[in-house]
Amino acid sequence: RKEVEQDPGPFNVPEGATVAFNCTYSNSASQSFFWYRQDCRKEPKLLMSVYSSGNEDGRFTAQLNRASQYISLLIRDSKLSDSATYLCVVVSNTGKLIFGQGTTLQVKP
Amino acid sequence: NAGVMQNPRHLVRRRGQEARLRCSPMKGHSHVYWYRQLPEEGLKFMVYLQKENIIDESGMPKERFSAEFPKEGPSILRIQQVVRGDSAAYFCASSPGLDTGELFFGEGSRLTVL
Repeated sequence: RKEVEQDPGPFNVPEGATVAFNCTYSNSASQSFFWYRQDCRKEPKLLMSVYSSGNEDGRFTAQLNRASQYISLLIRDSKLSDSATYLCVVVSNTGKLIFGQGTTLQVKP
Repeated sequence: NAGVMQNPRHLVRRRGQEARLRCSPMKGHSHVYWYRQLPEEGLKFMVYLQKENIIDESGMPKERFSAEFPKEGPSILRIQQVVRGDSAAYFCASSPGLDTGELFFGEGSRLTVL
């Protein structure tokens, strides 16, 4: 079983749609969690942290369920510029950041 | 404040040659990570280093690959006797310490093995 698993997609949605991505992780000792964004052939960049209480940043909402070892990212009112690959990241108790394979989002006009 | 600098951005090698990829972390960052990304695949962890120490190399292939982060100078990822399967984008990232999950990535070094 992979340490961090994501549905690779692609998710094809129209502008204005709401889309949700899920991610599961296998190590219950994982310390912290993040979503990164990667545009085609470019370097990944931090999108947002994920807290147990859930957190929101504009149109983006991240949730963590430690009991189910599950992380989610919700994007509301999708924009064309949201088209990218979204990477789920889990930090192990040794400080190693483990990336999921990414979920590709294509927002269509 | 310069970001993470990687060079070369593109490197072409023939099978059997050596590839050296360099990474200068952001100013003030003492932790460096190397990741490999094959076409259409995710980022695969290779190694995590602090100055003069390898913290975690669980993702490094057992042979031909080595990494260092000396007291002075950039971190180096070295691949000896390259094979076609080594063709990939190699991303370096840095962070100021253990207690942050924010990594700052370089633009990557794209290795092509002919």
